[in-house]
Amino acid sequence: AQSVTQLGSHVSVSEGALVLLRCNYSSSVPPYLFWYVQYPNQGLQLLLKYTTGATLVKGINGFEAEFKKSETSFHLTKPSAHMSDAAEYFCAVSEGNRDDKIIFGKGTRLHILP
Amino acid sequence: EAGVTQFPSHSVIEKGQTVTLRCDPISGHDNLYWYRRVMGKEIKFLLHFVKESKQDESGMPNNRFLAERTGGTYSTLKVQPAELEDSGVYFCASSPATGGNTEAFFGQGTRLTVV
Repeated sequence: AQSVTQLGSHVSVSEGALVLLRCNYSSSVPPYLFWYVQYPNQGLQLLLKYTTGATLVKGINGFEAEFKKSETSFHLTKPSAHMSDAAEYFCAVSEGNRDDKIIFGKGTRLHILP
Repeated sequence: EAGVTQFPSHSVIEKGQTVTLRCDPISGHDNLYWYRRVMGKEIKFLLHFVKESKQDESGMPNNRFLAERTGGTYSTLKVQPAELEDSGVYFCASSPATGGNTEAFFGQGTRLTVV
């Protein structure tokens, strides 16, 4: 069975500092990996996804994530945090061509300190 | 183009009552998904429609939950009778194709509170 573990339910970083949100997954088949973001009072929005090919994936708003198969990780990073990045972030996995069902992590709420 | 729309945005009902949530997917999207997030827990899959057919309903918690998608357009999720543990945020998503390589677009969710 697939699962996703996000380290830290709350993460605080200073404005301008590096953002690093950790995600580890387990999957018996090559996974498709996603990061979603939920801004206050909004729905879930796809930040980026990995399906196949290049393991470093660039998304919207300056975020990127790297698929590391040996570490079963898909950590999300952004070089310089902005106040507008304050939101809840969800790492997720699916079995891709076999199953579109998305398995989510518990989410990490990112706080940006002025 | 309109996104995925969910009604109502909030609902507060008493235990034992019935509530119906509605989801309007993006026009032309055959795939429609329901997910739920209970307080403090992860977002969990409930079921998947392809047009009007249930492709996968393995996540439905029990027979108090009934989902329909008549005509393959909008979908409803009825909870009858509602229990306290049904409280949470119910998300709907739609996508144009399967295979994981297309994006699923999510609605804003319906926050259900059972008191």
